Amino acid sequence: GQQLNQSPQSMFIQEGEDVSMNCTSSSIFNTWLWYKQDPGEGPVLLIALYKAGELTSNGRLTAQFGITRKDSFLNISASIPSDVGIYFCAGPSGNTPLVFGKGTRLSVIA
Amino acid sequence: NAGVTQTPKFQVLKTGQSMTLQCAQDMNHEYMSWYRQDPGMGLRLIHYSVGAGITDQGEVPNGYNVSRSTTEDFPLRLLSAAPSQTSVYFCASSHEGWGAYTEAFFGQGTRLTVV
Repeated sequence: GQQLNQSPQSMFIQEGEDVSMNCTSSSIFNTWLWYKQDPGEGPVLLIALYKAGELTSNGRLTAQFGITRKDSFLNISASIPSDVGIYFCAGPSGNTPLVFGKGTRLSVIA
Repeated sequence: NAGVTQTPKFQVLKTGQSMTLQCAQDMNHEYMSWYRQDPGMGLRLIHYSVGAGITDQGEVPNGYNVSRSTTEDFPLRLLSAAPSQTSVYFCASSHEGWGAYTEAFFGQGTRLTVV
């Protein structure tokens, strides 16, 4: 089946720093989704991307749908302590439920 | 509006025991799915359903059964629990499918330990 590769696996950053993470696939995706999971909670959708090349923002978060449709990027500007969590990329695999990457675990040092 | 509700939140089982993880949604969503989350593995699909009476297998279905008798409920049954089934289980639902123009909503998870 389709697989999504996320990097980095984990990040430790200082509060106020910008964060970049990415997700790649060996096959084409027509939709890219970015979810965040807070400790002890289920994932929550942050940003959805539907067109190649699309750049979408949600507050301090910005995500881009790669031109090749095989990758996507998520940036967080001016990180704050509540940004801590696991960030997942995901995409639909045909008519079956979402395929998820293994996640990027973000830790913010105040 | 409760969204997706999973019960129980925590459970400890002995090897060989059976149990049912409950999932209910009040959004009238047709599509529902079960994932398991293990450290460093992301979320892996166990079973899913596109409507009442219709279920299908995901990536890791062995040892689990599902049924969908109503739109609202999608229980996950562990037939004979094994330590390898120790995990956090998430139920999700969405309105018209997955991905394209729809959002999948997740429950808070059930943390299962099999000893």
